[in-house]
Amino acid sequence: GQNIDQPTEMTATEGAIVQINCTYQTSGFNGLFWYQQHAGEAPTFLSYNVLDGLEEKGRFSSFLSRSKGYSYLLLKELQMKDSASYLCAVRDRGSARQLTFGSGTQLTVLP
Amino acid sequence: GAVVSQHPSRVICKSGTSVKIECRSLDFQATTMFWYRQFPKQSLMLMATSNEGSKATYEQGVEKDKFLINHASLTLSTLTVTSAHPEDSSFYICSAKHSSQNYNEQFFGPGTRLTVL
Repeated sequence: GQNIDQPTEMTATEGAIVQINCTYQTSGFNGLFWYQQHAGEAPTFLSYNVLDGLEEKGRFSSFLSRSKGYSYLLLKELQMKDSASYLCAVRDRGSARQLTFGSGTQLTVLP
Repeated sequence: GAVVSQHPSRVICKSGTSVKIECRSLDFQATTMFWYRQFPKQSLMLMATSNEGSKATYEQGVEKDKFLINHASLTLSTLTVTSAHPEDSSFYICSAKHSSQNYNEQFFGPGTRLTVL
């Protein structure tokens, strides 16, 4: 099975940088995903890490350390529209490649 | 590309009735689709994995006779909530995995808000 932990809430200021951490314990690992979800909407894909290291995509970056069971999502130059829930999800090795989601981190960006 | 639609987006029904939710991959083929349920301020919980042409695989605690899943084609999966009760009120989201190995992520539909009175 999978066990995924991430902070419940975070607050940051517009223009700042925020790091959202995610730790996981897994019986099988085949990649870690970050999704953004605004209230009442479906999740949208942000990033995917399967190897150790940093993946950068615009204002968003994601880091993975498989040996530590640890990932973070880094958001730079925060904008008000970045206020949302950020979901960490781990994919297993099974044929279906299911995703197990963490409880999500609700980020509030203040002016 | 890689768009997933859901219909209806919102449904209100009386207790005891059945509700069907459709999930379609609009511009790609999806051999596997996933059905999630999300209660307010909680994360997505996988209900079942739907494979085209075969029976769905249900997660522990999900009643297969209550949540009927049909994946009749490579672009359509349906979830039917039978004899719905107020506790079934939730946000139901489907996702589809692209048949090509070049795609890693699942593509999510916009979700269906079910309210059972």
